[in-house]
Amino acid sequence: EPEVTQTPSHQVTQMGQEVILRCVPISNHLYFYWYRQILGQKVEFLVSFYNNEISEKSEIFDDQFSVERPDGSNFTLKIRSTKLEDSAMYFCASRVGEQFFGPGTRLTVL
Amino acid sequence: QKEVEQDPGPLSVPEGAIVSLNCTYSNSAFQYFMWYRQYSRKGPELLMYTYSSGNKEDGRFTAQVDKSSKYISLFIRDSQPSDSATYLCAIGRGAQKLVFGQGTRLTINP
Repeated sequence: EPEVTQTPSHQVTQMGQEVILRCVPISNHLYFYWYRQILGQKVEFLVSFYNNEISEKSEIFDDQFSVERPDGSNFTLKIRSTKLEDSAMYFCASRVGEQFFGPGTRLTVL
Repeated sequence: QKEVEQDPGPLSVPEGAIVSLNCTYSNSAFQYFMWYRQYSRKGPELLMYTYSSGNKEDGRFTAQVDKSSKYISLFIRDSQPSDSATYLCAIGRGAQKLVFGQGTRLTINP
């Protein structure tokens, strides 16, 4: 069964460093999303992406964040200068109808 | 008023019991309603997806939507210890973001 994959599963970084989180959405899906979940809190929307551009973004998704679909399969989330409060699980999702989520990348900022 | 409200629990029931999980939402413009299951530090796994008011059944799971009351439910029959997880309701509109509830942590005791 097709699934969304994400790498790495766990990323540890120092505050102020750049990180790139990678996702491979399900191949025939057209809409792509990033969400995050701080430990013990609800899943929060970050950004949606369609037709090679951002279609919607939340207040969380400020200038430190960017997304890219560099080729036909990968979808990336870049955080330019990480802060302690960026520590969270980051989930990629893709959809044709319902949204399917990847297993997540646990980001730890020290 | 929060867009989606969900009792975070925790909820603990004996094996074989019927479990009822609920969410309320505030915006009548939302069109579709989902239930996800999430194990600790894993990605949300889609369980049920429905557009309309009424019931939708899949095995031991029944999703119920009452649009007039802005109330959605998930029932689990013959609950098993493997059903122990956090259950997330999520609602959406078109290709836009999903809005998640807080999640209800469920434990099924053998």
